[in-house]
Amino acid sequence: QVQLQESGPGVVKPPETLSLTCTVSGGSTTSYYWSWIRQSPGEGLEWIGYIYYNGSTKYNPSLKNRVTISIDTSKNQFSLELNSVTAADTAIYYCARTIPPDYWGQGALVTVSS
Amino acid sequence: AIQMTQSPSSLSASVGDRVTITCRASQGIGNDLAWYQQKPGKAPKLLIYAASNLQSGVPSRFSGSGSGTDFTLTISSLQPEDFATYYCLQDYNFPFTFGQGTKLEIK
Repeated sequence: QVQLQESGPGVVKPPETLSLTCTVSGGSTTSYYWSWIRQSPGEGLEWIGYIYYNGSTKYNPSLKNRVTISIDTSKNQFSLELNSVTAADTAIYYCARTIPPDYWGQGALVTVSS
Repeated sequence: AIQMTQSPSSLSASVGDRVTITCRASQGIGNDLAWYQQKPGKAPKLLIYAASNLQSGVPSRFSGSGSGTDFTLTISSLQPEDFATYYCLQDYNFPFTFGQGTKLEIK
């Protein structure tokens, strides 16, 4: 059974960088697309971006070049960095497999606050 | 970005009822439409992909239809565990976008 688990700080100060890692177990990151999606009460579900196992990426233009997604297939992990955060980036962040996502992490609440 | 509009935003129904939720895309998306169920504190769960394909392990009372701009999710006979929020997702054109959700409540 494939499982995904997000990890990272629960609180980030503005305008620092939000960093999260998704660890995949029960499957390999050497195939499929791997995504980051967030959910906030005000904005609903928002697709942040995705990475293919070969390292190619696609980012949501709404995040104005603040996003970087990377993958480490040797560790079976992929990561999200979102820089220059504001309170509007407070959300539950999910990692997920493939398109449309079939497996999701449990979600990580990240609060942006000074 | 393609906008996805769900209706209704909320719905009250009883166990055993047949329920239909609609999702409309702001432009044609072929059949690149998925449906998710989300319960409080949990990640979304994939129910339907490619508009009408039932995800493995999902009960057959769930079905999806549509193509182009108009899509529906139907639950043929509501069960107590089906009360949740439902979202559509278009994966036709990036950025992929979700509907705003339909909250299904017990009448």
